[in-house]
Amino acid sequence: DAKTTQPTSMDCAEGRAANLPCNHSTISGNEYVYWYRQIHSQGPQYIIHGLKNNETNEMASLIITEDRKSSTLILPHATLRDTAVYYCIVRPLQGAQKLVFGQGTRLTINP
Amino acid sequence: EPEVTQTPSHQVTQMGQEVILRCVPISNHLYFYWYRQILGQKVEFLVSFYNNEISEKSEIFDDQFSVERPDGSNFTLKIRSTKLEDSAMYFCASSRQGVGTDTQYFGPGTRLTVL
Repeated sequence: DAKTTQPTSMDCAEGRAANLPCNHSTISGNEYVYWYRQIHSQGPQYIIHGLKNNETNEMASLIITEDRKSSTLILPHATLRDTAVYYCIVRPLQGAQKLVFGQGTRLTINP
Repeated sequence: EPEVTQTPSHQVTQMGQEVILRCVPISNHLYFYWYRQILGQKVEFLVSFYNNEISEKSEIFDDQFSVERPDGSNFTLKIRSTKLEDSAMYFCASSRQGVGTDTQYFGPGTRLTVL
C-alpha cells in the first residue's frame, strides 16, 4: 500500500506557483521521495525525486522537511498543461523496485 | 529524448481470447515493468523483468499473464485468456538499473477492452 498521504484535489491559477504537499511520516532513512504526474489517461511522467536535500530541475522543485516526514512539490509558474494527477511515491534505495501509486492529487490549473 | 513506445494504442478483444501487448523500452535500459490502471482506479504494478527473468510480480500477475523479451528491443505482456476484468490501460516502463535512485520511464499505454 502507498505510504504517502496527499490532498485529493487542488486548484491553482495559471501563472502562479502550485504547491503540492505530501505526507510520508513513516519514511525510513533509505527511502527516496519520487513525484510523478499523469495527464488524463497518459502514462505517468517522472517529475523529480530526492532523499533529504531540496532538489530542482527544469520542471519543478522538491522541498523536503528536515525530519523528512513531509515534502512539497512546487511548480513555479503553472500553465494549463500542468493540469494532471500528481503522485508522491516513497521508494526504497534497495530491494523491491515497483512503484506503489496512491490516489494522488488532482491539480487543476485555472485560466 | 528517448522514450518508451507501446503498441497498439487500443486493443479490443473478445473474452477468452489471447492478447499480446508490445513495448519497446528505452534502448540502454535493463529493467522492464508492466503496470495497469483500471478506469478510475490507481496505477497498479504487475511485474518487473531483468536479465530475462521475472524479478518481482504482484498478486494480479497470475498464470494467465506472461512476459517475454523475444528480441533485443521488444518486451511483451501476454494475457492467455482474457476476462472482462482485464479491461484497463496497460503501461510499460523501463529503467537503466533497478535501484531506488533510478527513474522508471513510462510509455503512453495500451487501452485493452475485453468484450
